[in-house]
Amino acid sequence: GAGVSQSPSNKVTEKGKDVELRCDPISGHTALYWYRQSLGQGLEFLIYFQGNSAPDKSGLPSDRFSAERTGGSVSTLTIQRTQQEDSAVYLCASSPFPTSGPVMSGELFFGEGSRLTVL
Amino acid sequence: RKEVEQDPGPFNVPEGATVAFNCTYSNSASQSFFWYRQDCRKEPKLLMSVYSSGNEDGRFTAQLNRASQYISLLIRDSKLSDSATYLCVVIDYSGGYQKVTFGTGTKLQVIP
Repeated sequence: GAGVSQSPSNKVTEKGKDVELRCDPISGHTALYWYRQSLGQGLEFLIYFQGNSAPDKSGLPSDRFSAERTGGSVSTLTIQRTQQEDSAVYLCASSPFPTSGPVMSGELFFGEGSRLTVL
Repeated sequence: RKEVEQDPGPFNVPEGATVAFNCTYSNSASQSFFWYRQDCRKEPKLLMSVYSSGNEDGRFTAQLNRASQYISLLIRDSKLSDSATYLCVVIDYSGGYQKVTFGTGTKLQVIP
């Protein structure tokens, strides 16, 4: 499809294991964001990739979290030595920023998320 | 002070009612503003952009007040299907980056 694709949609893992979450953004979108949302809570910013520029990693909660974006397209979020508090829905979004013309669009297109449960 | 603040609610309103949400932001230089809607256990989706001149889409009206640094969303003739969490989004552009800040959301429950 033409939307943002995330996998896996559900992941159950044991405490201490590593997990990888994948995001395939909309083709041509140069901006890619990762957010985390715990049950009943708001969106927590994790990391932002903008083209070939250095990513904004200011939201990563600890050094167990890392992300990369290969070839300016697919992104992988890796959580090492998972803890129970890492249980959440991890949402990826892409954006066509910068847009052509004078108007800054700013719209983010979200994937359906990866639900992580750490036992 | 949080960068973007919203009343978490919940707002419980009867069908047909008019309801309004406000969202305040702290950076006076912020440039773009949006309302997103998030249904339970779903991803957020764009509801509408917010302009200084105000914009309307059917039963929904969004307004920006730059002087007081808030945006608003008005929903007229509420429907059961309007039940969701409404997220305020503020965007700053600087140095080729697009900084996106989400509010924590306002929960709306429309009651039959």
